[in-house]
Amino acid sequence: NAGVTQTPKFQVLKTGQSMTLQCAQDMNHEYMSWYRQDPGMGLRLIHYSVGAGITDQGEVPNGYNVSRSTTEDFPLRLLSAAPSQTSVYFCASSRLGDGDNEQFFGPGTRLTVL
Amino acid sequence: KQEVTQIPAALSVPEGENLVLNCSFTDSAIYNLQWFRQDPGKGLTSLLLIQSSQREQTSGRLNASLDKSSGRSTLYIAASQPGDSATYLCAVLGSQMNRDDKIIFGKGTRLHILP
Repeated sequence: NAGVTQTPKFQVLKTGQSMTLQCAQDMNHEYMSWYRQDPGMGLRLIHYSVGAGITDQGEVPNGYNVSRSTTEDFPLRLLSAAPSQTSVYFCASSRLGDGDNEQFFGPGTRLTVL
Repeated sequence: KQEVTQIPAALSVPEGENLVLNCSFTDSAIYNLQWFRQDPGKGLTSLLLIQSSQREQTSGRLNASLDKSSGRSTLYIAASQPGDSATYLCAVLGSQMNRDDKIIFGKGTRLHILP
């Protein structure tokens, strides 16, 4: 199993540009989520999904869109990048509903918005 | 609202010592609790998951305990090594079935093992 994979590893954008961060998992997990990690702020939930076709907002959703057309993939779209979106982004996945919802994280995408 | 606290924020200990990292939470109605390590510039690596019905879990030199009634979990590291240097995070896991029952992370303890 590859686990949770994320691409790209690094990205530099200019203000106003759009891009998509990719996330995929091969563990057949129902739950997938996106976090951003900033110094002193810890991990903050952006969006999450409990299954294909179902998404919901987390703590800091503004400026980001998600979709979940398959169980495996959960891309995060930045609509119009702003310097405040400079951060490290992590995707995570887990099972749901059977008592074992161990979270598995991807390696992260380090994004800089100029 | 669930809050998760990890104290201290940073810790340095000589190699070979046993050590304990602390995690406290305000609401005892948790689903599970998970410990992670994070190396600089890397993602989170799962160390141990303690389900709410369990009191502890062990993996190698690591032992995690859970006391829901007092709102505490500890991660015990035996015979510490320089390779154990990392940031250790705990997370209180909700069932994830609705918006109000998700995952709350502590801000971590940055551990440095002195050779």
